[in-house]
Amino acid sequence: VLTQSPDTVSLSPGERATLSCRASPSVNSNYLAWYQQKPGQAPRLLIYGASNRATGIPDRFSGSGSGTDFTLIISRLEPEDFAVYYCQQYGSSFGGGTKVEIK
Amino acid sequence: EVQLVESGGGLVQPGGSLRLSCSASGFTLNNYYMHWVRQAPGKGLVWVSRINNDGFSTTYADYVQGRMTISRDNAKNTLYLQMNSLTAEDTAVYYCARENMLDSFDIWGQGTMVTVSS
Repeated sequence: VLTQSPDTVSLSPGERATLSCRASPSVNSNYLAWYQQKPGQAPRLLIYGASNRATGIPDRFSGSGSGTDFTLIISRLEPEDFAVYYCQQYGSSFGGGTKVEIK
Repeated sequence: EVQLVESGGGLVQPGGSLRLSCSASGFTLNNYYMHWVRQAPGKGLVWVSRINNDGFSTTYADYVQGRMTISRDNAKNTLYLQMNSLTAEDTAVYYCARENMLDSFDIWGQGTMVTVSS
């Protein structure tokens, strides 16, 4: 089971976003991915293997963590970054998502 | 351009059946494992099923309970999901996705809406 927190975070453009994904039991970090989804759109792969940015993803997105605790950081929020973010393990189950909304 | 395009969604009565298709272009389907993921209105992503390259190995989420069958025709570059005994709880947008680096899903279709209602 993947548990994401917080459910919603309200931030302003330019601020830093820190999103958490907790796994129970622990996950091999090679198989932890992060996705971004905007309303009416399909998800987009951001991070794979816990810390590797997918093709075309800006370097303001970074992933880290191992075992049971993983983090997605958006260093400086751009207007297009306000969306829902999901973590996923082993190419199957997803976390419940974190919505990053404009404050 | 690498892309996936789903089709086959629509309105179906409870207990009915539907077959979804996912057409791949810009890449060779038989080089990749493929998945179906669904999303109920206003809810999160839920993994449904996976199929390996040659179609001889499949895996399903527990809640599928034998009601859904994933398959593929590599010659036609197409993935399928046969859904039977549908209930209102199966109402969702269904996405197909390509598995690539370290089990992540790097290409997604635009989704097809399935509505189960009388």
